[in-house]
Amino acid sequence: EAQVTQNPRYLITVTGKKLTVTCSQNMNHEYMSWYRQDPGLGLRQIYYSMNVEVTDKGDVPEGYKVSRKEKRNFPLILESPSPNQTSLYFCASSGGGDLEAFFGQGTRLTVV
Amino acid sequence: GQNIDQPTEMTATEGAIVQINCTYQTSGFNGLFWYQQHAGEAPTFLSYNVLDGLEEKGRFSSFLSRSKGYSYLLLKELQMKDSASYLCAVSMNTGFQKLVFGTGTRLLVSP
Repeated sequence: EAQVTQNPRYLITVTGKKLTVTCSQNMNHEYMSWYRQDPGLGLRQIYYSMNVEVTDKGDVPEGYKVSRKEKRNFPLILESPSPNQTSLYFCASSGGGDLEAFFGQGTRLTVV
Repeated sequence: GQNIDQPTEMTATEGAIVQINCTYQTSGFNGLFWYQQHAGEAPTFLSYNVLDGLEEKGRFSSFLSRSKGYSYLLLKELQMKDSASYLCAVSMNTGFQKLVFGTGTRLLVSP
């Protein structure tokens, strides 16, 4: 089954404690992105990747890092999480910019 | 810059027809997506319009006017399960094909 898998689904952490949210897709897609979704603001792109070792900033990259060492995986790293990073995070992949994006099930992160 | 507008909330009755509008002002426009998102779940693809006109897919249709910067999603024969948020997203060509989302329209279908 074609899917994007994110882990964990839920995470509560404390300010400053480094964390990684994993994302994996099994569709051999080149394009992968991370979004955060906040009430009233919609989905905002954090980082994107066009292929292995090719990543760039989206609209809200501050406080986040990504890596793309393999085509299937695109982890999101928060080196020093802060409460304003409390949000619902989605990973997505697509075969191209004009093709539908497939989203993971989301990670609800709370930073206290 | 880029600006995408859609109504925050709409209500409709089961069996009715509802039209959700989306207006946009962006540079490097390629096409427009519509996604459906049930509460607490991932967005799922509904449609993609590149050319002007209406694309019909079962109970759902999507329209695009590139010259007017306008799109709408038409849902017919509404069912309770259609209660969800509907996200308009513009595909922009800025070197990389970038996807920019509107804030979404929450649709509540009542019996």
